[in-house]
Amino acid sequence: AQSVTQLDSQVPVFEEAPVELRCNYSSSVSVYLFWYVQYPNQGLQLLLKYLSGSTLVKGINGFEAEFNKSQTSFHLRKPSVHISDTAEYFCAVKNYGGSQGNLIFGKGTKLSVKP
Amino acid sequence: DAGVIQSPRHEVTEMGQEVTLRCKPISGHDYLFWYRQTMMRGLELLIYFNNNVPIDDSGMPEDRFSAKMPNASFSTLKIQPSEPRDSAVYFCASSFGGGVSYNEQFFGPGTRLTVL
Repeated sequence: AQSVTQLDSQVPVFEEAPVELRCNYSSSVSVYLFWYVQYPNQGLQLLLKYLSGSTLVKGINGFEAEFNKSQTSFHLRKPSVHISDTAEYFCAVKNYGGSQGNLIFGKGTKLSVKP
Repeated sequence: DAGVIQSPRHEVTEMGQEVTLRCKPISGHDYLFWYRQTMMRGLELLIYFNNNVPIDDSGMPEDRFSAKMPNASFSTLKIQPSEPRDSAVYFCASSFGGGVSYNEQFFGPGTRLTVL
């Protein structure tokens, strides 16, 4: 079975600084990878996804992530964060060919951007 | 497009009471998912439907939990009787299968349940 580990539960950062949110996964088969964002009191929304092809994936709001198969990682990055990026970020994994319900989420990383 | 609609947004009830959470998926979507989010366990899939049929309910914690989808535009998650440990945020999500292995799940705003 696949699993997801988000190494940091909280990441504080100053506005305009770069940020990296770490995600490692475990699976015995090929996977799809995702980052979702949850703003306070809202549902999750898709930030970006890796299905195949280029390992560098660009998403909304200036975020990007890089799939590293050898390190089983899918870290999320942004070169310069804004106050409005304060939210909780979830990494998720799904096996190729798995059922639609087989989307496994990490525990989340709370990003706090300070002025 | 109104997105996934959930009601109520907040529910406070007393232990032993029945609780019903409601969800309206995005029109045209053929998959519907119910998740529970807690600090301790994170986001867990409870059950999901395809074309109104329950496909996997292995995440439903106990017999106190039940879910139905009587038609393509409505689903309910019921807890009877409710217990304090059921306190959580419950999310509904929907997606369009389209015959491919993965499609984006669109989440509703959630229902925050507090059982006293």
